[in-house]
Amino acid sequence: QKEVEQDPGPLSVPEGAIVSLNCTYSNSAFQYFMWYRQYSRKGPELLMYTYSSGNKEDGRFTAQVDKSSKYISLFIRDSQPSDSATYLCAILETSYDKVIFGPGTSLSVIP
Amino acid sequence: EAQVTQNPRYLITVTGKKLTVTCSQNMNHEYMSWYRQDPGLGLRQIYYSMNVEVTDKGDVPEGYKVSRKEKRNFPLILESPSPNQTSLYFCASAPTGTGAYEQYFGPGTRLTVT
Repeated sequence: QKEVEQDPGPLSVPEGAIVSLNCTYSNSAFQYFMWYRQYSRKGPELLMYTYSSGNKEDGRFTAQVDKSSKYISLFIRDSQPSDSATYLCAILETSYDKVIFGPGTSLSVIP
Repeated sequence: EAQVTQNPRYLITVTGKKLTVTCSQNMNHEYMSWYRQDPGLGLRQIYYSMNVEVTDKGDVPEGYKVSRKEKRNFPLILESPSPNQTSLYFCASAPTGTGAYEQYFGPGTRLTVT
């Protein structure tokens, strides 16, 4: 079983839709949970990170962590064509200072 | 401008010819890391460094070397490149090791080994 799993998509939604992106992980020792966004031909950029279970909101983006289910989600409200990118979930294993990335979900927001 | 720079951005080489990809950051970050990105496999960590003169293997270190002699620089060395090292490489930095959740990535280096 991979340490971090993510549906690769592609996911295509109309502009204005609510988008839900999800990851599952296997190691309950993971502590930090991140979402990165990667535009085509660019390096990933950090969107949000959370440390514990619960929700964290930043503008149109909400990150949700359920440690009991080992499940993390990113919700995008009022999606825009500029949100079209690949979204990578990532987890920091603090005991080893290693970051493990999911394979990414490709999202297209259609005008 | 705070940034991570990589050079070269594109490189085509032949099997066995040693090469170095440079990485530099101007944010005084302690933590630096190298990743490779392959279709279907995502980003995989090659090596990381918590600080000067401290480096550790990531998940896919075979065939790569790194050094951290200065805080700002973290070059990736391929002593004898092989075609299976054809990939997109990213360098990243973070303020500290425990803050590695907040990584800043460079623009990437696309390497082709023939």
